[in-house]
Amino acid sequence: KAGVTQTPRYLIKTRGQQVTLSCSPISGHRSVSWYQQTPGQGLQFLFEYFSETQRNKGNFPGRFSGRQFSNSRSEMNVSTLELGDSALYLCASSLALASETQYFGPGTRLLVL
Amino acid sequence: GESVGLHLPTLSVQEGDNSIINCAYSNSASDYFIWYKQESGKGPQFIIDIRSNMDKRQGQRVTVLLNKTVKHLSLQIAATQPGDSAVYFCAENMGYGNKLVFGAGTILRVKS
Repeated sequence: KAGVTQTPRYLIKTRGQQVTLSCSPISGHRSVSWYQQTPGQGLQFLFEYFSETQRNKGNFPGRFSGRQFSNSRSEMNVSTLELGDSALYLCASSLALASETQYFGPGTRLLVL
Repeated sequence: GESVGLHLPTLSVQEGDNSIINCAYSNSASDYFIWYKQESGKGPQFIIDIRSNMDKRQGQRVTVLLNKTVKHLSLQIAATQPGDSAVYFCAENMGYGNKLVFGAGTILRVKS
């Protein structure tokens, strides 16, 4: 079974721009979560989607948003990019909503200049 | 804030020795715990998990121990191999869907 896939793998943007990242979960998985990983803050939870609805949200500003489609694929968007948004953005999928094992994709490396 | 990643502790072991990586978790209400391995340039890879109604779980060459009294997790790797070199993260689920809170991570270096 194919794993979690994320596109693109690398992105370079400039401050003020916006970016959209995509995630395709493992087939049959209905929950998708997003995490940000930086050297200074480690791995931090952004949000989780299940059945096209946001179920949980982390402590990030409203510039970070996401959505999930009926086929469980998910996108996250960051508007008005800041230098501090440079990070590895990871997507994880799981079967259902409650305390399930999450499997991570390879991540999208975003560099904001 | 959550999962503050500062200076990662490093564990250096000789190939063939056993490794023990420790983790303190934050919330006594957490009911599910996972260990992940992350190699350079890759996403975290699931190693083993344990639920709060257990205190020990074994996998292939790995064992996770859970001590709820002191809120402590450990990962034991038997006969450590060079391919085990990576950063290891513990994560706890506090019961809000699948939201995970990650520890800072431990670098494991295996010397041949």
